[in-house]
Amino acid sequence: QVQLQESGPGLVKPSETLSLTCDVSGHSITTAYYWGWIRQPPGKGLEWIGNIYHTGKTYYNPSLRSRVTISQHTSKNQFSLRLTSVTAADTAVYYCARLIAVARYFDNWGQGTLVTVSS
Amino acid sequence: SYVLTQPPSVSVAPGKTAKITCGGDNIDSKSVHWYQQKPGQAPVLVMYYDSDRPSGIPERFSGSNSGNTATLTVSRVEAGDEADYFCQVWGSDSDHLIFGGGTKLTVL
Repeated sequence: QVQLQESGPGLVKPSETLSLTCDVSGHSITTAYYWGWIRQPPGKGLEWIGNIYHTGKTYYNPSLRSRVTISQHTSKNQFSLRLTSVTAADTAVYYCARLIAVARYFDNWGQGTLVTVSS
Repeated sequence: SYVLTQPPSVSVAPGKTAKITCGGDNIDSKSVHWYQQKPGQAPVLVMYYDSDRPSGIPERFSGSNSGNTATLTVSRVEAGDEADYFCQVWGSDSDHLIFGGGTKLTVL
């Protein structure tokens, strides 16, 4: 049973970089799946941030592309998110999840972590 | 870019049937997936490939996709079905993943 767990700072200052890590257990990230990040501002809907395939190929939301980097760390069975130049609009619960490669749906999610952007 | 449109809210009495729609241009050319999210919890997949149910999801949940509208149907609604529901597709022509805005299902 795959399990995902997000970790990282809960508070980030405006203009700084948000960095989160997703620890994956019960499944190797080097198999043929995508691994993705999704966020949800308080009281709002889900926003896809991006995915990384086991080959290292990435896909990003066009609205965030210029500020986002998703990387994989195979030795630790982790993948990570970097979001630069954050503002209050980036305050959200951030989820990591596994994406089925062919159909492109998320079958397993982490519990989510709240990141607040504030000085 | 491709847009998915959901009604903000749907209300239904216990034991009745709720239909949650997801509109998109020629959406029946895409595979639609649905997630249920209860307050304070991560989303849970309740339907994939338009009408396939993951293991553990009650048979009361069903899905369809035709024309410009995909529909998640919850039959014999229970209080525990009260949640936000989100539809999702992969925009294959743009390599982007898209969520609908979400529908809050209220059980009266």
